[in-house]
Amino acid sequence: ETGVTQSPTHLIKTRGQQVTLRCSSQSGHNTVSWYQQALGQGPQFIFQYYREEENGRGNFPPRFSGLQFPNYSSELNVNALELDDSALYLCASSSGQNSNEKLFFGSGTQLSVL
Amino acid sequence: DAKTTQPPSMDCAEGRAANLPCNHSTISGNEYVYWYRQIHSQGPQYIIHGLKNNETNEMASLIITEDRKSSTLILPHATLRDTAVYYCIVRVALRWTGTASKLTFGTGTRLQVTL
Repeated sequence: ETGVTQSPTHLIKTRGQQVTLRCSSQSGHNTVSWYQQALGQGPQFIFQYYREEENGRGNFPPRFSGLQFPNYSSELNVNALELDDSALYLCASSSGQNSNEKLFFGSGTQLSVL
Repeated sequence: DAKTTQPPSMDCAEGRAANLPCNHSTISGNEYVYWYRQIHSQGPQYIIHGLKNNETNEMASLIITEDRKSSTLILPHATLRDTAVYYCIVRVALRWTGTASKLTFGTGTRLQVTL
């Protein structure tokens, strides 16, 4: 157990809809990152939040957005869902953004877009 | 944009050491090498990380070559529960921020531990 919890565990949506995924970081962690993992692939970096500010983003379109709250929990929002958005979405937290800080991952949310 | 190359699969007998190789020939001087593993679509589990020196913890050892262009993860006594996909990752700085960085996953090595 990493102490990082994600909800829901599974979700089914239809194309064009919007979705919100949630993540509670490990106690004491102020940095949260989100990753997308398509079937058979390694996770791909979406963005990172540090103390409520987005401070890094991967190659994902603006319809992928997020928030981090004062308690350092986080949300990932995806608008105008596409079939290719079907994936496992992973949240990871760390106690800082230094490259020497370990990231601890949650179990993920499996999103299916029909 | 993964910066690592790993064999797609490996087998290991239970009780023997599993040695998982990784090439990262384009690694920069301040980029760390991380190893994670993932069991059947669960979240990746942290194993170990290092910059230049060899590292050891309760799970594994990490051997980094002097030129830092490759590394080896060693599981000293593999068990059936070590069957998983193992990712060798270079942690890359995000250019437009001061200290933020990301893990760049490749497709990993699928380790099968057998009786």
